[in-house]
Amino acid sequence: KAGVTQTPRYLIKTRGQQVTLSCSPISGHRSVSWYQQTPGQGLQFLFEYFSETQRNKGNFPGRFSGRQFSNSRSEMNVSTLELGDSALYLCASSLAGSNTEAFFGQGTRLTVV
Amino acid sequence: QKEVEQNSGPLSVPEGAIASLNCTYSDRGSQSFFWYRQYSGKSPELIMFIYSNGDKEDGRFTAQLNKASQYVSLLIRDSQPSDSATYLCAVKNTGNQFYFGTGTSLTVIP
Repeated sequence: KAGVTQTPRYLIKTRGQQVTLSCSPISGHRSVSWYQQTPGQGLQFLFEYFSETQRNKGNFPGRFSGRQFSNSRSEMNVSTLELGDSALYLCASSLAGSNTEAFFGQGTRLTVV
Repeated sequence: QKEVEQNSGPLSVPEGAIASLNCTYSDRGSQSFFWYRQYSGKSPELIMFIYSNGDKEDGRFTAQLNKASQYVSLLIRDSQPSDSATYLCAVKNTGNQFYFGTGTSLTVIP
């Protein structure tokens, strides 16, 4: 059974550009969450999608957006990149229900220069 | 107040000792509790989950949950150098949203 797949693994962008990250969840998982991880800040929750609907949203500016497709694949977009957006972006998928764990992809390392 | 709080460490223990990692959470209605391990440069991987008050053991790992005190802990017995990693506590609230602590860095000294 394939795990969570994130593409690309690494990205280098310049300030002001925009970027799109992709996440393919484990087959059958309809919940996809996105996190930003930076040293000292831990995992910061960006948003969660379930059946193509954004169900939860963290405290990030509107430059961060996402969507989910009918096959549960999800994309995250960051517009007008800032140096502070440099981070590891992790996607996690899970089954519906409270007693289910999240499975993480390998992440996308974004560097903004 | 953060949803999930952990001591960031670093925590150092000698090989063979017991490592104790602690976590508190703020949402009293939280139902599911998870411990993830993250090696440097890698993504988090699930170690254990616990849903009911008390202890849950899996090999060298024991998770403890006290809902009245809103406290979760992870004990690692017979610590090995390969256990050196950052341990993340995660709580799933009534809205099915995960909240993660900032993690505790553990170093097991040979």
